[in-house]
Amino acid sequence: DAGVIQSPRHEVTEMGQEVTLRCKPISGHNSLFWYRQTMMRGLELLIYFNNNVPIDDSGMPEDRFSAKMPNASFSTLKIQPSEPRDSAVYFCASSLVAGVPGDTQYFGPGTRLTVL
Amino acid sequence: SQKIEQNSEALNIQEGKTATLTCNYTNYSPAYLQWYRQDPGRGPVFLLLIRENEKEKRKERLKVTFDTTLKQSLFHITASQPADSATYLCALDIFNTGRRALTFGSGTRLQVQP
Repeated sequence: DAGVIQSPRHEVTEMGQEVTLRCKPISGHNSLFWYRQTMMRGLELLIYFNNNVPIDDSGMPEDRFSAKMPNASFSTLKIQPSEPRDSAVYFCASSLVAGVPGDTQYFGPGTRLTVL
Repeated sequence: SQKIEQNSEALNIQEGKTATLTCNYTNYSPAYLQWYRQDPGRGPVFLLLIRENEKEKRKERLKVTFDTTLKQSLFHITASQPADSATYLCALDIFNTGRRALTFGSGTRLQVQP
C-alpha cells in the first residue's frame, strides 16, 4: 500500500488566496483525521471523519477553514481566505476502524503551507 | 486546563545507553496513551499503545510504562542507536460521548551520539 497520500507537499500562497489541501487515505480505512503542526502549538487535531461523516470539528480554528470527504478515498481541507498565521504543516491521517479509540493512526507526509 | 507535558529540551545520549523520555499530563483520564516517532519533514509514525489498565508494554528495544496515579508515561529505548535520533511524541487517546480526540504532546527530540 502507498500509505496516506497528501498533495501538494509544499504550497506557497499570498494572503487572501484560497488554499486547498488534498488527502487520500489508506484503502479500507474508515477514519480520517486532519492535523496542523506548528512550533508554537505542536500537533493539533482539526477535524475527523468516520465513514465519510464529520464527527468532531471543534478543532477547526475558524470559519475560514472547511473540510469535506465526498467519498472514502478522498478528503480536502480548504482555507479561504488564507492568512499568514495559517502557515504550518498540515497532516492527514487515517485509521482502520471508525470511532474506536486506541486504533493506530497512519500519517501522510504532510503539506507545508506558507502564506505570505 | 488540560495539559500534556514533554521535555522540550533535546535529550542527548551516547550510543548503547538507555534513553528515557517522559510524558506528564494533567486533568485527563485517557483510556489509552500512544507514542509516536517523527523524523524531520515526515509525519508521525506509531510506535506503541498502552491501555489505562496496563502498567507496561514492550516491543523489541522499546518499553512504555503508564502510571495513571502519577499521570505519567515513561518511554524507554534500550541499547540506543544513532538511527533512533528523532522527535518522540506522546498522545492521549480520549474517547468521550462518542467523540474521540487524540491529543499530542509537543514532543522531545532525542539525539543519539555514535
